[in-house]
Amino acid sequence: EAQVTQNPRYLITVTGKKLTVTCSQNMNHEYMSWYRQDPGLGLRQIYYSMNVEVTDKGDVPEGYKVSRKEKRNFPLILESPSPNQTSLYFCASSRAPLFYEQYFGPGTRLTVT
Amino acid sequence: AQSVTQLDSQVPVFEEAPVELRCNYSSSVSVYLFWYVQYPNQGLQLLLKYLSGSTLVKGINGFEAEFNKSQTSFHLRKPSVHISDTAEYFCAVSEGGSQGNLIFGKGTKLSVKP
Repeated sequence: EAQVTQNPRYLITVTGKKLTVTCSQNMNHEYMSWYRQDPGLGLRQIYYSMNVEVTDKGDVPEGYKVSRKEKRNFPLILESPSPNQTSLYFCASSRAPLFYEQYFGPGTRLTVT
Repeated sequence: AQSVTQLDSQVPVFEEAPVELRCNYSSSVSVYLFWYVQYPNQGLQLLLKYLSGSTLVKGINGFEAEFNKSQTSFHLRKPSVHISDTAEYFCAVSEGGSQGNLIFGKGTKLSVKP
């Protein structure tokens, strides 16, 4: 089954404790992206990757890091989480960003206390 | 810079009634338009998209949308809604000549009541 998986689905952590949210897709997609969803703000892009080894900032990259060493994986790293990073996070992938559908993972709900 | 405005944050409607969810965008170049749906506790999935050609596009679950270039709109419609259509709907735009990243609107929560 074609899908985007994210782990963990739920995470409660404390300020400053480094964490990684994993994202993997099995569709051989070149393009991958991370979004955060906050009430009343819709989805905002954190980082994206056009292909392996090429990543770039989205609209809200502060406090986040990513890496794309393999085509299928695109982990999101929070080196020192803060309470304002409490949010619902989605990973997405696509053949290419302009014309093609983006496939979304199920989401990771992160709470930073 | 491109932006997307969804004019209604919440739309309550009775079952079997028609519904229209409004979306306006701003861009000075060619655009590609999408509607995504998010059911409770799930990720987003594509409803429909407009790339070129006919301005009326049909999607899944009986939804359709019309691209109006002069009004810079891409409103989503369904003639008769079901309880199962209760979800949040997002309009999104990508801009020709750009990297193609999607810009999302803030979403419209459709609540279908029996």
